[in-house]
Amino acid sequence: AQSVTQLDSQVPVFEEAPVELRCNYSSSVSVYLFWYVQYPNQGLQLLLKYLSGSTLVKGINGFEAEFNKSQTSFHLRKPSVHISDTAEYFCAVSANSGYALNFGKGTSLLVTP
Amino acid sequence: DVKVTQSSRYLVKRTGEKVFLECVQDMDHENMFWYRQDPGLGLRLIYFSYDVKMKEKGDIPEGYSVSREKKERFSLILESASTNQTSMYLCASSRTAPGGYTFGSGTRLTVV
Repeated sequence: AQSVTQLDSQVPVFEEAPVELRCNYSSSVSVYLFWYVQYPNQGLQLLLKYLSGSTLVKGINGFEAEFNKSQTSFHLRKPSVHISDTAEYFCAVSANSGYALNFGKGTSLLVTP
Repeated sequence: DVKVTQSSRYLVKRTGEKVFLECVQDMDHENMFWYRQDPGLGLRLIYFSYDVKMKEKGDIPEGYSVSREKKERFSLILESASTNQTSMYLCASSRTAPGGYTFGSGTRLTVV
């Protein structure tokens, strides 16, 4: 089975500063990796995904993530955050032979002026 | 715009009631999922379905059942609601090919 650990439950950051949200996964098989964002009182929205190919993945809203197989990590980064990036972020993994996603517990990003 | 629609945003039910949460998708997706979301616990998979009339248990199926009579509709049933089922319930759908989910907006259920 696959599992995901999001290493930080909360990340406070000032506006226009860079941010990294950390995600580690465990799996004995090849995986697909995802980052989702959830704004207050809304469902989850796909930010980006790694299925194969280039290990650096670019997503919406200026976010990017790097798949590191040797470190089993898929950290999410943004070089300069905005107040509007305040949200809950979820990392998720699925095996390439299955459909269901396993989610991490989430990281709450709080951007302040 | 593609959509996953959950019939209710907020529900309040009494302990012991039978509760139906409805989810409809208009993308002709094969797979549909029900998760519950609780603070500090993230999303936990309750049930999923990869075809009409097919269902698979997720990580926390106890106290729940599901129904998928049509491809576009996936219902979550709480046979006898209990207070520990107070939660945010999220429905999602996906194609068979990997690519991630499309989520509904969620139903916040309170059982009193």
